[in-house]
Amino acid sequence: NAGVTQTPKFRVLKTGQSMTLLCAQDMNHEYMYWYRQDPGMGLRLIHYSVGEGTTAKGEVPDGYNVSRLKKQNFLLGLESAAPSQTSVYFCASRTGTQRSYEQYFGPGTRLTVT
Amino acid sequence: QKEVEQDPGPLSVPEGAIVSLNCTYSNSAFQYFMWYRQYSRKGPELLMYTYSSGNKEDGRFTAQVDKSSKYISLFIRDSQPSDSATYLCAMSLLIQGAQKLVFGQGTRLTINP
Repeated sequence: NAGVTQTPKFRVLKTGQSMTLLCAQDMNHEYMYWYRQDPGMGLRLIHYSVGEGTTAKGEVPDGYNVSRLKKQNFLLGLESAAPSQTSVYFCASRTGTQRSYEQYFGPGTRLTVT
Repeated sequence: QKEVEQDPGPLSVPEGAIVSLNCTYSNSAFQYFMWYRQYSRKGPELLMYTYSSGNKEDGRFTAQVDKSSKYISLFIRDSQPSDSATYLCAMSLLIQGAQKLVFGQGTRLTINP
């Protein structure tokens, strides 16, 4: 099993450009999450999904959109990138079991917006 | 005030030392208390979890939760250079049927040989 994979690993964008980050998991997990990690801020939840076709806002959703058309994939889109979106982005997934607590993280995407 | 507060460090100790990492929190609704370890340029990995007050031991690691004080700790005994990483505390909350994790800022730990 590959677990959680993210593409691309690195990207540099100019202000105003758009891009999509792809997260894929092969563990048949129901829940998927997108986080951003900034120095001194820990991990902050952007958007999440509790199942195929559903999405919901997290703590810092502004400037991002998401889609979950297939159970194994969770896409994060930036329509018009801003320097404030320079960050490391992590995707995570977990099973749908109520008592399950562990989220499995991908390796991250380092995004720089100039 | 953040829901979860963690001293970001950095913390540097000699090999073999006992390390203490701590977090405080403000939300009494948190259910599970976790410690994630993150090596440089990698994603976080779950190290330990607990859901009740008290201690939980796993090898050289001990997780401690004090719900009355809203305080959690991670102790590392006989620390090794391979323990050098960023340690993130995380707390689980159930909102509208969905589990969400709230993370501390992370403490960067270096174990010097």
